[in-house]
Amino acid sequence: AQSVTQLDSQVPVFEEAPVELRCNYSSSVSVYLFWYVQYPNQGLQLLLKYLSGSTLVKGINGFEAEFNKSQTSFHLRKPSVHISDTAEYFCAVGTQGGKLIFGQGTELSVKP
Amino acid sequence: ETGVTQTPRHLVMGMTNKKSLKCEQHLGHNAMYWYKQSAKKPLELMFVYNFKEQTENNSVPSRFSPECPNSSHLFLHLHTLQPEDSALYLCASSPRVQRGPYTDTQYFGPGTRLTVL
Repeated sequence: AQSVTQLDSQVPVFEEAPVELRCNYSSSVSVYLFWYVQYPNQGLQLLLKYLSGSTLVKGINGFEAEFNKSQTSFHLRKPSVHISDTAEYFCAVGTQGGKLIFGQGTELSVKP
Repeated sequence: ETGVTQTPRHLVMGMTNKKSLKCEQHLGHNAMYWYKQSAKKPLELMFVYNFKEQTENNSVPSRFSPECPNSSHLFLHLHTLQPEDSALYLCASSPRVQRGPYTDTQYFGPGTRLTVL
């Protein structure tokens, strides 16, 4: 069965610093991975997704993620964060029947 | 309107009330989903509809009753809820439910914040 583990529940960083949000997955079938962001009082918005091909995936708002099959990881990175990046970030793995299995979320807090 | 809309955005109800949540998607999709988001817990998939047919019921209590009259609209009818049902209920849509392991991107609405007293 597929599962997703987000290793950090909260990540505080200062503005303009780099950030990495960690995600590990387990899956016995082909892997389709997603990162979503949830701003306060809003629904989830897709940041990026890995379906196949290049292991480095670029998304919106300057985020990117790298698929690492040997380490079963899909960490999200941004070289320089802004106050507006403060939000909750969810990693998810796609599974049979169109379902998404989500991690518990990582709360990114960007401080001035 | 564009994307996925949900009404109401906030709902407070007593345990004996009956209410309904509404979701509408303007993306031309054929699959729709209900999720429950509770504090400090991962999103929980509740129901999946594909071309108006329910394809997934994730062991949801019968006090939650979904309805999908067409591919653009999804309802969640609520009755005799418990305080532990208080949560953010998110609706999502995608082009379709794939048969194999491939998963389409899902597009989410803003959610309905439900409080059960």
